[in-house]
Amino acid sequence: DTAVSQTPKYLVTQMGNDKSIKCEQNLGHDTMYWYKQDSKKFLKIMFSYNNKELIINETVPNRFSPKSPDKAHLNLHINSLELGDSAVYFCASSQGDREAGELFFGEGSRLTVL
Amino acid sequence: GQNIDQPTEMTATEGAIVQINCTYQTSGFNGLFWYQQHAGEAPTFLSYNVLDGLEEKGRFSSFLSRSKGYSYLLLKELQMKDSASYLCAVKDSNYQLIWGAGTKLIIKP
Repeated sequence: DTAVSQTPKYLVTQMGNDKSIKCEQNLGHDTMYWYKQDSKKFLKIMFSYNNKELIINETVPNRFSPKSPDKAHLNLHINSLELGDSAVYFCASSQGDREAGELFFGEGSRLTVL
Repeated sequence: GQNIDQPTEMTATEGAIVQINCTYQTSGFNGLFWYQQHAGEAPTFLSYNVLDGLEEKGRFSSFLSRSKGYSYLLLKELQMKDSASYLCAVKDSNYQLIWGAGTKLIIKP
């Protein structure tokens, strides 16, 4: 069983479109994250979310919005896609955000905006 | 500002030992992580240090000096499959993970 799974793995779309990436974890973790990894390989936190608190990186445009139907899912919705949104998006989970527990990452979703 | 510095790229020979350094300047410290990321794949956890000293895990060891803001990852008996990027990350006083850009390690036969 895949611990953290995200779909789709590849997404090619036109500028201006709206798209969603889904993420599910079966580890029973209470905190989930979305990261963006650009061509320079920096991992940038976009959101972290547990059942109590959503923490948004202030540099993330409000075109990006996380949606969590339940503790095991954290989807990423992107409105009005721009060329600069092209990147690999990783979902991750951990048991708490203040503890020593490591992050478990999904396989990544490679988004290409044309 | 907060930053994590690590070399962009390193090359080593199969069977040898390599040390990847990481220096950090963060607002507070709540632990340092090392992750391995193969090309086109997700990062996977390697090690965690919160106290000074050396943590050994098989062929991989990680060292931390909090007073110096310094860590290294030591890889022994290098194998071709160790070719990957190695990411250093620090949890700051707000428990936010600050990531380095990663060190691409190239292993040659």
